Amino acid sequence: DQQVKQNSPSLSVQEGRISILNCDYTNSMFDYFLWYKKYPAEGPTFLISISSIKDKNEDGRFTVFLNKSAKHLSLHIVPSQPGDSAVYFCAASALRGGATNKLIFGTGTLLAVQP
Amino acid sequence: DGGITQSPKYLFRKEGQNVTLSCEQNLNHDAMYWYRQDPGQGLRLIYYSQIVNDFQKGDIAEGYSVSREKKESFPLTVTSAQKNPTAFYLCASRRLRGAGSQPQHFGDGTRLSIL
Repeated sequence: DQQVKQNSPSLSVQEGRISILNCDYTNSMFDYFLWYKKYPAEGPTFLISISSIKDKNEDGRFTVFLNKSAKHLSLHIVPSQPGDSAVYFCAASALRGGATNKLIFGTGTLLAVQP
Repeated sequence: DGGITQSPKYLFRKEGQNVTLSCEQNLNHDAMYWYRQDPGQGLRLIYYSQIVNDFQKGDIAEGYSVSREKKESFPLTVTSAQKNPTAFYLCASRRLRGAGSQPQHFGDGTRLSIL
């Protein structure tokens, strides 16, 4: 049972435009959400996170939106740059359950930013 | 520079052999994690440890073993009991103490292949 879903395996965007990556979750106990970026043959790099007490968090070109009622979050990248081309993973955890911080990952979305 | 070092980057194993993957961190992080990534899938948790000399099974611990004798080190042994060991293995760590949520930080991974 996939608790974190990224239904789009790939996304292609023109340089300078907005990239929107989506993520859905099923477990209502999740209260902390993260986005990671991953290049081939490298480990994921942490991008941005959001706690369930917020509905938006912004860091430079990256903004994460959380819709708790819909159990949906999205990552917006504006403007998109060719260096943003990578696989993006959404992850979630239930921090209220303790400090274990077990992360549940989605299957990833491959973003290709065309020059 | 602080970080997480995984070695080797590429590893080949003959069937029936045990093999140990190294993970060292100098971030003074309390918790360490091992994940496995297969093509088209998200990261799945194998084992994690929040304190020296203690560790817990993740979602796919069968065929794996770990130890945590030092805070900085969390080696993973892939035993001959693991029937499908070919995968990309990622180690992560996280600071537990302090206020707020802390993301996990990842090493660059070890790709294990069966000869």
